Amino acid sequence: SAVISQKPSRDICQRGTSLTIQCQVDSQVTMMFWYRQQPGQSLTLIATANQGSEATYESGFVIDKFPISRPNLTFSTLTVSNMSPEDSSIYLCSVEESTTTSYEQYFGPGTRLTVT
Amino acid sequence: GQNIDQPTEMTATEGAIVQINCTYQTSGFNGLFWYQQHAGEAPTFLSYNVLDGLEEKGRFSSFLSRSKGYSYLLLKELQMKDSASYLCAVRDNYGQNFVFGPGTRLSVLP
Repeated sequence: SAVISQKPSRDICQRGTSLTIQCQVDSQVTMMFWYRQQPGQSLTLIATANQGSEATYESGFVIDKFPISRPNLTFSTLTVSNMSPEDSSIYLCSVEESTTTSYEQYFGPGTRLTVT
Repeated sequence: GQNIDQPTEMTATEGAIVQINCTYQTSGFNGLFWYQQHAGEAPTFLSYNVLDGLEEKGRFSSFLSRSKGYSYLLLKELQMKDSASYLCAVRDNYGQNFVFGPGTRLSVLP
């Protein structure tokens, strides 16, 4: 299974600033996903990032607020721009691997963001 | 619209069997996933169903009925370490758009 790392693991940021979260995978993957998980809640998909194309954003998320880069098959970044306290959340990247009979999705350890 | 429902909380006893249900209504269907998430940790993949029927993996089994929009996760021989949240997720368009349910918090008591 893919091993995924994220940086930073946590950060405390001031309102109005931006934070870039990095996601590194130990193998080449086509599809990477960025999720948000607010305290006590389930996961919400922010966007799907495929190498070589623009990220696809889910309803309620826009590129100006959450720009994503996907420069190669092992790396992606998510930027949380012009942050407000409502952006305080855990941000997770994930990748999907396919086998002959199944799809399996693996998550990074997450980045815990607190906006003051 | 898209909607996934799970019970919010369940309690079971060590050594017992518990079934966690998930119902879904999505605009399309391309697979249902179950994840386990311990507090403060990332979700870990448990199972994937795309065809009707039961998939068994050790103590965990997952069932799918596409016509009913229904799945369950069955945990046997419960252990204390199984106390966690269990998340049901549906991929409703091929290659994109995972929708997660609210999660079921399972507490295993001695």
